[in-house]
Amino acid sequence: AQTVTQSQPEMSVQEAETVTLSCTYDTSESDYYLFWYKQPPSRQMILVIRQEAYKQQNATENRFSVNFQKAAKSFSLKISDSQLGDAAMYFCAYRSSFMEYGNKLVFGAGTILRVKS
Amino acid sequence: NAGVTQTPKFQVLKTGQSMTLQCAQDMNHNSMYWYRQDPGMGLRLIYYSASEGTTDKGEVPNGYNVSRLNKREFSLRLESAAPSQTSVYFCASSAYSGGSYEQYFGPGTRLTVT
Repeated sequence: AQTVTQSQPEMSVQEAETVTLSCTYDTSESDYYLFWYKQPPSRQMILVIRQEAYKQQNATENRFSVNFQKAAKSFSLKISDSQLGDAAMYFCAYRSSFMEYGNKLVFGAGTILRVKS
Repeated sequence: NAGVTQTPKFQVLKTGQSMTLQCAQDMNHNSMYWYRQDPGMGLRLIYYSASEGTTDKGEVPNGYNVSRLNKREFSLRLESAAPSQTSVYFCASSAYSGGSYEQYFGPGTRLTVT
């Protein structure tokens, strides 16, 4: 079974600075997808960024980028120019590419990000 | 287009009571999911439905039942609520988009069992 580990329960960053959230995962599969979700106090789950394991290029979405290290099974999220609105719980998630697994997501425990003004 | 909707948003039950959490999506998605979120544990899959007429257990199915009523609706039932089922429950649906299946989440239901 796949597992996802987020070793940082909580992180803080000063507004306008850069912060990196860590995620490691365990799988025996070679093809899969990785995601970062943001959950603000409203509880709504918002997809931040997605990475396909077969792609070597790291995904980027505006101020959000990932460092995907397939051999190390590491998938970190970098937030540049942090804003107060980035304060939230961030979840790393894994999805198998095999259709028989039903597109299920396996989540890490989450990292609370606090942004200081 | 409302996306994924869940009712109720909040609920308090006494131990042993039953209730059904409702979920509906208007995006014509085939697959739907129920997750629970507990502090320090992230979201864990309870049940999912890959398509209308099928349901499968996830990681933590004990104490729950589900019904895929039609393509739009996927309900979660607690037959005899226990304090261990105090949690936030999320419904999600998924569809193929941009080369991958994306999951879209509802706003969640906060359930407290006393």
